[in-house]
Amino acid sequence: DIQMTQSPSSLSASVGDRVTITCRASQSIGNYVSWYQQKPGKAPKLLIYAASSLQPGVPSRFSGSGSGIDFTLTISGLQPEDFATYYCQQSHSVPGLTFGGGTKVEIK
Amino acid sequence: QVQLQESGPGLVKPSQTLSLTCTVSGGSITYGGYYWDWIRQHPGKGLEWIGSIYHSGSTYYNPSLDSRVTLSVDTSKNQFSLKLSSVTAADTAVYYCGRGAYGYNAIDYWGQGTLVSVSS
Repeated sequence: DIQMTQSPSSLSASVGDRVTITCRASQSIGNYVSWYQQKPGKAPKLLIYAASSLQPGVPSRFSGSGSGIDFTLTISGLQPEDFATYYCQQSHSVPGLTFGGGTKVEIK
Repeated sequence: QVQLQESGPGLVKPSQTLSLTCTVSGGSITYGGYYWDWIRQHPGKGLEWIGSIYHSGSTYYNPSLDSRVTLSVDTSKNQFSLKLSSVTAADTAVYYCGRGAYGYNAIDYWGQGTLVSVSS
């Protein structure tokens, strides 16, 4: 099974900060990575698919990069509504999925 | 606008079968290119893929749950369903249905989620 190791598990940041979250796959997975944002009591929301493609309607301050093993989600200019938990997901053996452990972004 | 809605009992007794249905509106479940997924989230924890079904009926299960999971689709009702047998307290979770897209099973539409508790 492919594992996704996400880091950090939590971080504190201020409005306007640039935030970077990483996921490392246990083996090469090409670009089969998606990123989600989840707020308390809500379903996750797709932000990025295919490692770097922005889901329509998602603000351009969100970006994804990486291929193979290492992947990054970047939020350029953190906004108050961005405080949430973020998950990476791999789907190399599509449709099988595994998720990273999550990163909680909190207000500093 | 595609919408998904989970339905089913919120309380299941240990050793029984958990049954949930996801009703899809705003689009046909028979459109090609999409997977129809079940994901769960234990209280305060991360996300776990349960399985996926294609409109043709092809199914794909998480190996850790394979022996207990059955997915099915009813195209006439635009619904797909989950059955999880022999449940224990460890199956208490919020269960989500979703639509996997783009050939990556990136879940672009999610149901609101339904909490299922396993308790006697």
